[in-house]
Amino acid sequence: KNQVEQSPQSLIILEGKNCTLQCNYTVSPFSNLRWYKQDTGRGPVSLTIMTFSENTKSNGRYTATLDADTKQSSLHITASQLSDSASYICVVSPFSGGYNKLIFGAGTRLAVHP
Amino acid sequence: DGGITQSPKYLFRKEGQNVTLSCEQNLNHDAMYWYRQDPGQGLRLIYYSQIVNDFQKGDIAEGYSVSREKKESFPLTVTSAQKNPTAFYLCASSIDREGSPLHFGNGTRLTVT
Repeated sequence: KNQVEQSPQSLIILEGKNCTLQCNYTVSPFSNLRWYKQDTGRGPVSLTIMTFSENTKSNGRYTATLDADTKQSSLHITASQLSDSASYICVVSPFSGGYNKLIFGAGTRLAVHP
Repeated sequence: DGGITQSPKYLFRKEGQNVTLSCEQNLNHDAMYWYRQDPGQGLRLIYYSQIVNDFQKGDIAEGYSVSREKKESFPLTVTSAQKNPTAFYLCASSIDREGSPLHFGNGTRLTVT
């Protein structure tokens, strides 16, 4: 069964520190891997989208990496800010699956404290 | 500003009542989706529509119904047949191009007692 597992479930860091969130998947073959940010009580917002051939993609202080051999992706947040407090969701699109086949991880809840 | 509008933000209903959640988009996207989000779980697809007057069941369609009479609108009805309807419901849309992001609304939190 295709799965997307995220770790840790939750994380607390101090403002200004860096952190890395992990995403392991069993989906194979896959078309692309996405990271979304979801503020509490709001809808997810796209951060990065990487195809299976890409290794890294940045969006400001957010950098996503992808290792297709080990089926792992990470999201690195640099110089965290209070506004980074949110859930971060990893989403994998199976090859030729279409949007109706997206597989969502349960997310990592990040809290940035002053 | 283009986007997706979901209403209401909070909805309370008694068990046994049907309820309709609104989703409107002005992004001119052909495809629209309804997801359900429960604590500790990934989003699950309820229904999706790739074109007006056509829609398909997702992974958890039982107890739900939709319509797509206009490109901009994709309302979701939660019927009394849905066993556990209390959840956060998210509507999304996309253009029909591989690798394009999903655009989400800000959700409706439904509580059924």
